Amino acid sequence: AQTVTQSQPEMSVQEAETVTLSCTYDTSENNYYLFWYKQPPSRQMILVIRQEAYKQQNATENRFSVNFQKAAKSFSLKISDSQLGDTAMYFCAFDPYNFNKFYFGSGTKLNVKP
Amino acid sequence: SQTIHQWPATLVQPVGSPLSLECTVEGTSNPNLYWYRQAAGRGLQLLFYSVGIGQISSEVPQNLSASRPQDRQFILSSKKLLLSDSGFYLCAWSGTPSQPQHFGDGTRLSIL
Repeated sequence: AQTVTQSQPEMSVQEAETVTLSCTYDTSENNYYLFWYKQPPSRQMILVIRQEAYKQQNATENRFSVNFQKAAKSFSLKISDSQLGDTAMYFCAFDPYNFNKFYFGSGTKLNVKP
Repeated sequence: SQTIHQWPATLVQPVGSPLSLECTVEGTSNPNLYWYRQAAGRGLQLLFYSVGIGQISSEVPQNLSASRPQDRQFILSSKKLLLSDSGFYLCAWSGTPSQPQHFGDGTRLSIL
């Protein structure tokens, strides 16, 4: 069975500081993809970053980067220079390839304080 | 470019009434299509997914059903709504495996 766990229901960070959101997953698959999505108060689901499991290099998108540890089945999201607009729910998602569906974590609510 | 449309944005329905939520995708062919439900402050629960016309996979037994009458059209239905059907419903599509899912703007459904 595929499972995704986000152990931090809620986090806070001061504006301009760095925060790391945790995600672990469980799978017996070797080929898969991992994603972080952001859901602001508007409730739109916005793709933040994507990581391919066969790539050792961690993905980065501007202020967002991941720490992908395949052996540990860990996929954390680091947000640098946090901005007020980063306030949102963040969901980790696992795509085991050829399964035609994603597995989402329960989400981490991030509050960026001025 | 591809776009996804989901409507209505909000809906208030009485218990026992029928439901029809529609989702369409433009700019791509043969997408995988998904319906999710999200309770307030909670994660996403996959309800249905479809890999082609007429092909529907159900993830959670409930009084909801889904249909895909056309390649880029996905409909979520119910014959008689329950109070527990309240929530935020999201439609999504994806292309080839490994591609991210792209979401519609969602429908906020309130059952009275």
